[in-house]
Amino acid sequence: DAGVTQSPTHLIKTRGQHVTLRCSPISGHKSVSWYQQVLGQGPQFIFQYYEKEERGRGNFPDRFSARQFPNYSSELNVNALLLGDSALYLCASSLFARTNTEAFFGQGTRLTVV
Amino acid sequence: AQTVTQSQPEMSVQEAETVTLSCTYDTSENNYYLFWYKQPPSRQMILVIRQEAYKQQNATENRFSVNFQKAAKSFSLKISDSQLGDTAMYFCAFMKHEWGDDKIIFGKGTRLHILP
Repeated sequence: DAGVTQSPTHLIKTRGQHVTLRCSPISGHKSVSWYQQVLGQGPQFIFQYYEKEERGRGNFPDRFSARQFPNYSSELNVNALLLGDSALYLCASSLFARTNTEAFFGQGTRLTVV
Repeated sequence: AQTVTQSQPEMSVQEAETVTLSCTYDTSENNYYLFWYKQPPSRQMILVIRQEAYKQQNATENRFSVNFQKAAKSFSLKISDSQLGDTAMYFCAFMKHEWGDDKIIFGKGTRLHILP
């Protein structure tokens, strides 16, 4: 079975531009979460989506938005990029069940803003 | 708000030795999960071990075990017979035991080097 897949793996953008990152969860997983990992830090929660609805949002500006599609894949959008948005963006999927708490992570998208 | 603190930014041990990584957390919740994740240079975040707060017994997974002290809000990871492949960043993490909340709160990590 394929794990969580993210695309692209790397990209470079210029300040002020917009970026879209994509995530495909493990088959059968309905919950997708996004994290930002700045170099040398632990991941920080950005969003959680379940059944196409936002279930949680971290302390990030409105420039960050996301959505989930009927096939449970997800996109993270960041507008008006700043240098400080340079980070590894991780996507995690889970079954979203009371008795199953394991989140499976993708390999991330390395975003560099210049 | 919950916080997770890892006080050891970096550690090095010889292969086959035992190493313990420290973690403390702060929460007002009574039911929650604690995790240790491993992130090798490949960037893939891998779950090493999970502890449910209502369980008093410490979790073990092969060479990995935890010392969970709920009252002290301490959750350390012990790696026995360390191997070169254990070299990675290790993150301690917290999640509320609440349906509908998948948010994981991570510490800043400990970089572990296993030396040949």
